[in-house]
Amino acid sequence: DVKVTQSSRYLVKRTGEKVFLECVQDMDHENMFWYRQDPGLGLRLIYFSYDVKMKEKGDIPEGYSVSREKKERFSLILESASTNQTSMYLCASSLTGIFENTQYFGPGTRLTVL
Amino acid sequence: DQQVKQNSPSLSVQEGRISILNCDYTNSMFDYFLWYKKYPAEGPTFLISISSIKDKNEDGRFTVFLNKSAKHLSLHIVPSQPGDSAVYFCAASTNYGGSQGNLIFGKGTKLSVKP
Repeated sequence: DVKVTQSSRYLVKRTGEKVFLECVQDMDHENMFWYRQDPGLGLRLIYFSYDVKMKEKGDIPEGYSVSREKKERFSLILESASTNQTSMYLCASSLTGIFENTQYFGPGTRLTVL
Repeated sequence: DQQVKQNSPSLSVQEGRISILNCDYTNSMFDYFLWYKKYPAEGPTFLISISSIKDKNEDGRFTVFLNKSAKHLSLHIVPSQPGDSAVYFCAASTNYGGSQGNLIFGKGTKLSVKP
């Protein structure tokens, strides 16, 4: 069964703090993604990774960085959290291949920055 | 510039009736389309998909229709149940141009199924 887990369901941080969001998948998927979801804006891609050590910017990478040291793990880092980064963060993974673009999502992390 | 559009932010349907959720796209290179369902405080769940070589795909109560000439797809839920109440996201991807199949999501349609 497909399984994507995220380290926290709810997180409260203060402005200026460094924040780590962890995502782990057990499906041996090559691709991993970080999105944020905000009301009325849908899912917006922050960063993605096609392989270990590789990363690509998505649509809204500003204020974020990522790390992928192992195939199963993809971390999102907020170097200095700000209130406009309060959001629902979603991690996803997928296989590589023609028509194998189905992404499987974790449960999400609701981050509040005070 | 939105490549995938869900023009109805919300839809209300009576239990037992059909729910029709619509999605339009602009990029003719999209060749794979998906629908996701999302409950509050949970991650999106994959529902059903269709490739551009088909015009219909069915899975139980859920059917997705693809009209390539109109660049339009729709999700039909028959019969609708209260547990179907959620936000539905349409997504599209292409395997051309080195995009590696990233998904482009619409902004979602909130479906409410009333008992």
